[in-house]
Amino acid sequence: GQNIDQPTEMTATEGAIVQINCTYQTSGFNGLFWYQQHAGEAPTFLSYNVLDGLEEKGRFSSFLSRSKGYSYLLLKELQMKDSASYLCAVSSGGYQKVTFGTGTKLQVIP
Amino acid sequence: GAVVSQHPSWVICKSGTSVKIECRSLDFQATTMFWYRQFPKQSLMLMATSNEGSKATYEQGVEKDKFLINHASLTLSTLTVTSAHPEDSSFYICSARDFAEYTGELFFGEGSRLTVL
Repeated sequence: GQNIDQPTEMTATEGAIVQINCTYQTSGFNGLFWYQQHAGEAPTFLSYNVLDGLEEKGRFSSFLSRSKGYSYLLLKELQMKDSASYLCAVSSGGYQKVTFGTGTKLQVIP
Repeated sequence: GAVVSQHPSWVICKSGTSVKIECRSLDFQATTMFWYRQFPKQSLMLMATSNEGSKATYEQGVEKDKFLINHASLTLSTLTVTSAHPEDSSFYICSARDFAEYTGELFFGEGSRLTVL
């Protein structure tokens, strides 16, 4: 089976930096996704890490350590609109199915 | 970027009836599509992997006779909730990966909100 864990909720201040962690246990690991989801909407793609290291894309960065089964999403210069759920998801197996973690609800406060 | 379209967005049905949800990849071929279910304030739960031309692979605990999946072409997968009951009310969302894209990004449909009365 798979185990993907994230903190349930986080609160951060506008303009600050926040790091959302994700740990996973899986067999046949292919890669790790981060998605953002606003309530009632479909998830939107943020990043995909296949190899170890940091991937930077604007205000968002994602890190992966395959040996540790660990990833984080770093959000810089937080804006109010960043209040959303952030979903860590792991791709695994021959069909490369994507399984989602529990999700982290981020609240950005003024 | 690739687009996945899901229909209908909202459906209300009576208990005991069946409901079909369609998922289409509009500008790429998807040999594999995924069906998820999401309850309020929870994350996405993978229900099954839909494979073009073959039987779907269901996750543990998901009733294959309850949730019928058909993937008859490279651009269309359907999920039929048979003999729906109120506990089947949920947000159902499909997705497909475009492996022609560098990231192999997972694209999502708009989701279908099912309410069973």
